[in-house]
Amino acid sequence: ETGVTQTPRHLVMGMTNKKSLKCEQHLGHNAMYWYKQSAKKPLELMFVYNFKEQTENNSVPSRFSPECPNSSHLFLHLHTLQPEDSALYLCASSQRDRESNEQFFGPGTRLTVL
Amino acid sequence: GQNIDQPTEMTATEGAIVQINCTYQTSGFNGLFWYQQHAGEAPTFLSYNVLDGLEEKGRFSSFLSRSKGYSYLLLKELQMKDSASYLCAGTDSNYQLIWGAGTKLIIKP
Repeated sequence: ETGVTQTPRHLVMGMTNKKSLKCEQHLGHNAMYWYKQSAKKPLELMFVYNFKEQTENNSVPSRFSPECPNSSHLFLHLHTLQPEDSALYLCASSQRDRESNEQFFGPGTRLTVL
Repeated sequence: GQNIDQPTEMTATEGAIVQINCTYQTSGFNGLFWYQQHAGEAPTFLSYNVLDGLEEKGRFSSFLSRSKGYSYLLLKELQMKDSASYLCAGTDSNYQLIWGAGTKLIIKP
């Protein structure tokens, strides 16, 4: 257990569905992240929130919409996804004012888009 | 540009030693992470190197050469449970992580 939880662990959705991924961190960190992990590719940073404010959006399509209501919770709202969006979506948290910025990861949500 | 390179896959024998290399190019480099990720699980932290040299933690050691843009992870006395992917990540000037694609390590009896 890393102190970061994600739900659901697995999700299958059609291209017209709307769903949300949830992440919660119990570590008192001030930064949270969404990553996409596809087979044999580097982790792709999608969004970064520092103190609940979005500081990074790495050219992510608008069909992915993040929400950070407080420093412990992070959501990723999904709508009209494409089959190529099928991947493992990882949430992470860190304490950004520590020099190392070590990130702690949740177990991920395995998303399949049909 | 920013780039992290590491081998895609390596195979080693139980009880042996294996070295996983990583080369990096990041703007404003601060340090280098190694994470372990078992299939279907979250990446977990192994090491963080800021200074040149070797840091040892039990069976695992990590080395950094800032002048060469090079790091390696050394795993000794390999066990079957060490079969996993090993992710190298460099930090840029904002301490943002730039990730490699990971090295899948297969341990054979």
